Amino acid sequence: EIVLTQSPPTLSLSPGERATLSCRASQSVSNYLAWFQQKPGQAPRLLIYDASNRATGIPARFSGSGSGTDFTLTISSLEPEDFAVYYCQHRSNWPRTFGQGTRVEI
Amino acid sequence: QVQLQESGPGLVKPSETLSLTCTISGGSISPYYWSWIRQPPGKGLEWIGYISYDGITNYNPSLKSRVTISLDTSEKQFSLKLDSVTAADTALYYCARAPHLDYWGQGTLVTVSS
Repeated sequence: EIVLTQSPPTLSLSPGERATLSCRASQSVSNYLAWFQQKPGQAPRLLIYDASNRATGIPARFSGSGSGTDFTLTISSLEPEDFAVYYCQHRSNWPRTFGQGTRVEI
Repeated sequence: QVQLQESGPGLVKPSETLSLTCTISGGSISPYYWSWIRQPPGKGLEWIGYISYDGITNYNPSLKSRVTISLDTSEKQFSLKLDSVTAADTALYYCARAPHLDYWGQGTLVTVSS
């Protein structure tokens, strides 16, 4: 099973600042890595798939990069609605797994 | 617009079987993989398994001996059965469309308790 390790666990930032979230895989997942945002009481929302492709309707301030074992989600300028928990997830093999999450807080 | 809706009992007794259904609307069953994912309260996400549009299943090894996922194409529904539940199976259960998990249900909380 591929283990995804996200860092940092918590990111304390202010609106307008840049957020950089990391996801490291225990073995290569090629580019089969997605990022999700989850707010309290809501289902996760797909932000990025296959490492760098924004999902439909996702603002351009969200971008993803990386391949192999190291991936980054960048939020270029935080909006108030971006404060949430972010998860990475791979689909390289089975079982699909998720990272433990990074909380972006004010 | 694709919509997914989970349904089923919110309370299950220990050792019994958890049964949930997800109804798909606004989209086609193929060529997707229809998935169940769960999240214990306050914790992270665990992919339970999926069934493909043509009936192929794949289950998380950690749950494989207790899980069955089935698909009813005529009703546009897929279902989850989890046998011999314990308190550790208490979670918010989501259905979602794979491979990219681009559509999710709102989730249904299942509590295992006597």
